[in-house]
Parts: sequence; structure tokens; C-alpha cells
Amino acid sequence: AQKITQTQPGMFVQEKEAVTLDCTYDTSDQSYGLFWYKQPSSGEMIFLIYQGSYDEQNATEGRYSLNFQKARKSANLVISASQLGDSAMYFCAMREANNAGNMLTFGGGTRLMVKP
Amino acid sequence: EAGVTQSPTHLIKTRGQQATLRCSPISGHTSVYWYQQALGLGLQFLLWYDEGEERNRGNFPPRFSGRQFPNYSSELNVNALELEDSALYLCASSLWLGGVGNTIYFGEGSWLTVV
Repeated sequence: AQKITQTQPGMFVQEKEAVTLDCTYDTSDQSYGLFWYKQPSSGEMIFLIYQGSYDEQNATEGRYSLNFQKARKSANLVISASQLGDSAMYFCAMREANNAGNMLTFGGGTRLMVKP
Repeated sequence: EAGVTQSPTHLIKTRGQQATLRCSPISGHTSVYWYQQALGLGLQFLLWYDEGEERNRGNFPPRFSGRQFPNYSSELNVNALELEDSALYLCASSLWLGGVGNTIYFGEGSWLTVV
């Protein structure tokens, strides 16, 4: 089974509007961390936001917020007031506490295109 | 503060040759990770080094190898290159404090093309 599922291969959003990028995850661990990264066409992966499984508040970082619904195992990224520079691939990733390998497992990504 | 730096940015090699990619982590970070991002395949975990030791490797053949130096920089070697090795190779670094919250910071990647 996929550990991280991003069901939206591509999305359009109008500039200045908000957009939600979906991410669902699968784990039996109680302790895990969820991350979102942005990848512009240049290739660099840019860290956006982190949510721990025990965090009671949804994480926020500037225009980015994470809609964390633990029971539904979803960690959707919300981008408010979209800008043209937000056009990029967005990846959801997870690290599980019982993952001795310490690596992040990534979803397949969502390509966001912001329309002027 | 400098981020994760990788070199070369682009590399073109012939099938059967060897490629060496280099990575310098963020100052103070002891863990280095390598990921492969082939077209249409997402990010696949390759290797994790911490304090000079290989801690984990992904499901890749042994011709993918690497090492971490005493200054925590790292290199990834790919021997006997195959066409399907063409990909973006991303290096990342983090502190390793245990737990799940250590953020991994990526470099800009090295584009490897095998012809």
C-alpha cells in the first residue's frame, strides 16, 4: 500500500485565491511527522511546513497552513492568496518513528499552476 | 548561512561509465541523504549517512554507493551507468536528534543524463 497518496496530479488556481492540496497517509505508528515541500522547475526541494502527529494545533507558516485531520489520516496543505511564484510541484512526505532508516517517504506530488 | 550545495549541476555520461556526485551539507548537520528523482517516478530514497557511516540504503543495486567524509560532505557514485539512471539526484541534510521532527533540507540537485 502507498504510504503517502496525493490524488491530484495537477491543479489550477487563480492568482490571489486559496488552494488546498490533498495528502493522505498510511501508518500504524503513533508518532510520525508530516512534511510539505515545494519543487520549482529548477529542481530544488524547498521545505514549507511540518506537522507532528502529537501536535494539537495545525501548523502554519506564513501563507501556508496544514489542515491536519488525524482520524482521517490526512494532512492537506492550504496556500492562501496564491501568487504566480507558487506554480511548482508540491510533495507531501512522512517520517515514521519506527522507521529505523530515518528517511522521508514521499507522495507522487501535485503540480500547481497559478493563473494570472 | 549556506544551504546544501551539490556539484556538478549537470552531468552527461555514456552508458557503462561511472558518475560521481558531490554534496556539502548545511553547517552543523551530520546526516546526509541521497534521493533519486527519475522522470515520472517521484523521489526514491537511495542512501542515508550519519557521522561517516552508512545508516540505511534504499532498494537500489550495489552499483549505487557513496561515502561521507569527516567534514560531513558526501559523494554518491554510480558505476556501470545505465540509461535508466538518468535522473535528478537530490542531496539533503539534517541534524540527527532522533524522533520524527528533524527537517531535511535539500540542495538544488544534480541532473545526470546517461546517453
